[in-house]
Amino acid sequence: GAGVSQSPRYKVAKRGQDVALRCDPISGHVSLFWYQQALGQGPEFLTYFQNEAQLDKSGLPSDRFFAERPEGSVSTLKIQRTQQEDSAVYLCASSFWGWGLILWNTNEKLFFGSGTQLSVL
Amino acid sequence: AQKVTQAQTEISVVEKEDVTLDCVYETRDTTYYLFWYKQPPSGELVFLIRRNSFDEQNEISGRYSWNFQKSTSSFNFTITASQVVDSAVYFCALSGGTNAGGTSYGKLTFGQGTILTVHP
Repeated sequence: GAGVSQSPRYKVAKRGQDVALRCDPISGHVSLFWYQQALGQGPEFLTYFQNEAQLDKSGLPSDRFFAERPEGSVSTLKIQRTQQEDSAVYLCASSFWGWGLILWNTNEKLFFGSGTQLSVL
Repeated sequence: AQKVTQAQTEISVVEKEDVTLDCVYETRDTTYYLFWYKQPPSGELVFLIRRNSFDEQNEISGRYSWNFQKSTSSFNFTITASQVVDSAVYFCALSGGTNAGGTSYGKLTFGQGTILTVHP
C-alpha cells in the first residue's frame, strides 16, 4: 500500500484478554518499529525489527508483550492478559533502510501508521 | 539517558500570528539527529524535518522554520502566519548516533508534545 497500515483502528478488551495488533509496513521497508503512546504523552519506543530479526526489544514493558515479524513484512504486536495500564495508542513505523545502514547524508525518515487505540476495561 | 523537553503543553493563537514551539534536548552522544513531527487528529505522525547534529544551519520550508542551537541544546520550530490547518500536536524527537556510517536514528525519544490550536 501507499502508507503504513494498522489494524484494527480501535480495540476494546476486557482486562485479562489477549489482543493482537497488526502492522503492514510500506512494501520493501527493512525497518519496522513499534511505539506506545499514552494519552497526552509522546510515543515511547517498544521494539525494532530489521527484516524478520528483532534487534531491540528493550522498550517492551513486560513479558506480556510479544512482537513478531516472521517473514520480514507484516508484524504483529501481541499483549497477553491485558491490564488497564496497557490502554494506549500503539503506533507502527517503517523505514527503507536498516538500523546501522544509514549514511550521513540520506534523508531517511520513519513513516508512521495511524495507530491502534487500545482500551482495556 | 536521552531526554527531550517541550515545556509548552498548549499554545493558542489567532490565525496569521507567528508561533514558536520550543524544544530542549539532552544527550551524551556526539552525533545525533533531531526531528519534528506533526500529529493531526487522525493520529498519524507526519514527518516535518530531520536535522543532523553536525549541521547547525537553520532551515526554512515555506511557512516553517527551524532554529538549531547546539550551544543551548535547543531545536525550536516557528510557524509564520499560522493557519487553522496547522492545529495539531507537535512533537520534537531525538535519536542517538553510532559510529561513523551508522545511526540508531529510528529509536526515537519524543518530547511530550505541544498542542497547537489556531483560531480563525
